[in-house]
Amino acid sequence: DAGITQSPRYKITETGRQVTLMCHQTWSHSYMFWYRQDLGHGLRLIYYSAAADITDKGEVPDGYVVSRSKTENFPLTLESATRSQTSVYFCASSDTLTGGNQPQHFGDGTRLSIL
Amino acid sequence: GQNIDQPTEMTATEGAIVQINCTYQTSGFNGLFWYQQHAGEAPTFLSYNVLDGLEEKGRFSSFLSRSKGYSYLLLKELQMKDSASYLCAVRDSNSGNTPLVFGKGTRLSVIA
Repeated sequence: DAGITQSPRYKITETGRQVTLMCHQTWSHSYMFWYRQDLGHGLRLIYYSAAADITDKGEVPDGYVVSRSKTENFPLTLESATRSQTSVYFCASSDTLTGGNQPQHFGDGTRLSIL
Repeated sequence: GQNIDQPTEMTATEGAIVQINCTYQTSGFNGLFWYQQHAGEAPTFLSYNVLDGLEEKGRFSSFLSRSKGYSYLLLKELQMKDSASYLCAVRDSNSGNTPLVFGKGTRLSVIA
């Protein structure tokens, strides 16, 4: 019963580096999401995906890239990391949103520090 | 636009009852969710409301008034482990297929 797992849990890198955060879910949920959580801002949506090969921008997509070649994986890449991207990143998934009552289930998060 | 407001912090005594309010202004509405998040952990789902009224789940209840754009989470018989942030989230859509929009959360401290 693995559910949704994120890796790494902690990451320190330097400005300008490329970083990829991984997210894997075992529920076969169609929807997957990436959020960042910062003090004073709460959870903000970066990107989401309704199915394999379908992705959409959220509230704060600039500087991030996502892909979804397989239903169970939804990696998030920072192409050239900046200090403002230091944050806690949460991946989430949910079943088909018909009826609107499907909650999002969150991974344990990745704490990313950019020096 | 979207606006979801919650108090930033609240303090309550062990064994007491606390009500955490959430007001929202969204262009559409297809459900309101409450999540609990302990420090350093992931948010976990608590409750869902889409129709007006009260939903009860053990010590936790959630209320919704769509006409007022208002919800509250009621926690009874508070325990020390209830110290956490409580996040209000709205599905801003008149169909099912949009992500949740989160408020900034209310940090609840339960004291002895």
